[in-house]
Amino acid sequence: DAGVTQSPTHLIKTRGQQVTLRCSPKSGHDTVSWYQQALGQGPQFIFQYYEEEERQRGNFPDRFSGHQFPNYSSELNVNALLLGDSALYLCASSPLPGGSSYNEQFFGPGTRLTVL
Amino acid sequence: GEDVEQSLFLSVREGDSSVINCTYTDSSSTYLYWYKQEPGAGLQLLTYIFSNMDMKQDQRLTVLLNKKDKHLSLRIADTQTGDSAIYFCAERDLGDYKLSFGAGTTVTVRA
Repeated sequence: DAGVTQSPTHLIKTRGQQVTLRCSPKSGHDTVSWYQQALGQGPQFIFQYYEEEERQRGNFPDRFSGHQFPNYSSELNVNALLLGDSALYLCASSPLPGGSSYNEQFFGPGTRLTVL
Repeated sequence: GEDVEQSLFLSVREGDSSVINCTYTDSSSTYLYWYKQEPGAGLQLLTYIFSNMDMKQDQRLTVLLNKKDKHLSLRIADTQTGDSAIYFCAERDLGDYKLSFGAGTTVTVRA
């Protein structure tokens, strides 16, 4: 059973460009959250998707947007990239409600984004 | 769940116990998590506890919760070199969806 997968592993972009990151949740999970982890810091919540809708959003500008597909996979889009957007972007998935692990969020390996 | 604080570094001798501490600031109904991050990797969920519990034990891991002081600790018994990593404390309020993380504690295990 594959865990949470993310692509690409690494990405280099220049300021002003746009980027799309992808995430496939763990099998049996329907909720996807995205986090940004700057170097030396803890992850910061960007938003969470459930039933193809953004259910909750953190303190991130509108340049950060997302999408969830019917198969529960998700994309994170960042427009007009800034140097400060350089970070590890983590995707986490959560299982369907009612199960014993409902309160758990499982993380993928992340996508390392470098903005030059 | 906005303010989660952790000490930044811990050095421990192999075979000793490690104790990693965390304080949080939010409500009485919250989930508290411990995650492990090895270099270049994502976060691995180690264990979690709900705020109506005082303690949870899972093999070498023991979580203690002091609700009055909003203090959480993770004890790792018989610490091994493979336990060297960054450990994150996180909280999630009941009814909320986001995890709020501390800055992480870097644990170094020396021989």
